[in-house]
Amino acid sequence: GQQLNQSPQSMFIQEGEDVSMNCTSSSIFNTWLWYKQDPGEGPVLLIALYKAGELTSNGRLTAQFGITRKDSFLNISASIPSDVGIYFCAGDRNYGGSQGNLIFGKGTKLSVKP
Amino acid sequence: NAGVMQNPRHLVRRRGQEARLRCSPMKGHSHVYWYRQLPEEGLKFMVYLQKENIIDESGMPKERFSAEFPKEGPSILRIQQVVRGDSAAYFCASSPTGTGSGEKLFFGSGTQLSVL
Repeated sequence: GQQLNQSPQSMFIQEGEDVSMNCTSSSIFNTWLWYKQDPGEGPVLLIALYKAGELTSNGRLTAQFGITRKDSFLNISASIPSDVGIYFCAGDRNYGGSQGNLIFGKGTKLSVKP
Repeated sequence: NAGVMQNPRHLVRRRGQEARLRCSPMKGHSHVYWYRQLPEEGLKFMVYLQKENIIDESGMPKERFSAEFPKEGPSILRIQQVVRGDSAAYFCASSPTGTGSGEKLFFGSGTQLSVL
């Protein structure tokens, strides 16, 4: 089935650092979504992208929908301790009307540098 | 302002038993989706239901798994004769009536199923 390749798998952050992660696919998606999941909780939507080339911000988070529609990246600027968690990209193949059948990447785990 | 409610949060079953997972969507939402998450993995779509109808069950295993969303009451994901490989976190999401893209999905906190 379709897969999203998300990288890096894990990374350590120090407070104040900028963080970058990305997601690639062999297939085209019409919507890209970025979620954050805390331990024992469900994913929470951070940013949704609808158009190729679109760049969208949500506070310290910025995400872009790749021109080819096969990739997306998420940047976190000036990270803070509460940014730790697992970040997932998800693609939605449907356009306009969603069937809710999202394809998720395997996640990028953000941890604090010891 | 209750979100998507799932219960139980944790469920332990022995092999061969049945597991019933419940999901109450957000108020005003009539679309429910079930996802499964294995350890160290992303979520995988299982099934999409509207009230009394299964719309898309392309992600459901062919045997032992079933889902319903009755006119009254929560959506139920039922797993018969559980096996160890069914151990996972099961998430429910809901969305409001009408069309919309993936951003309209709101996820619950999940049910962690452990099969002994």
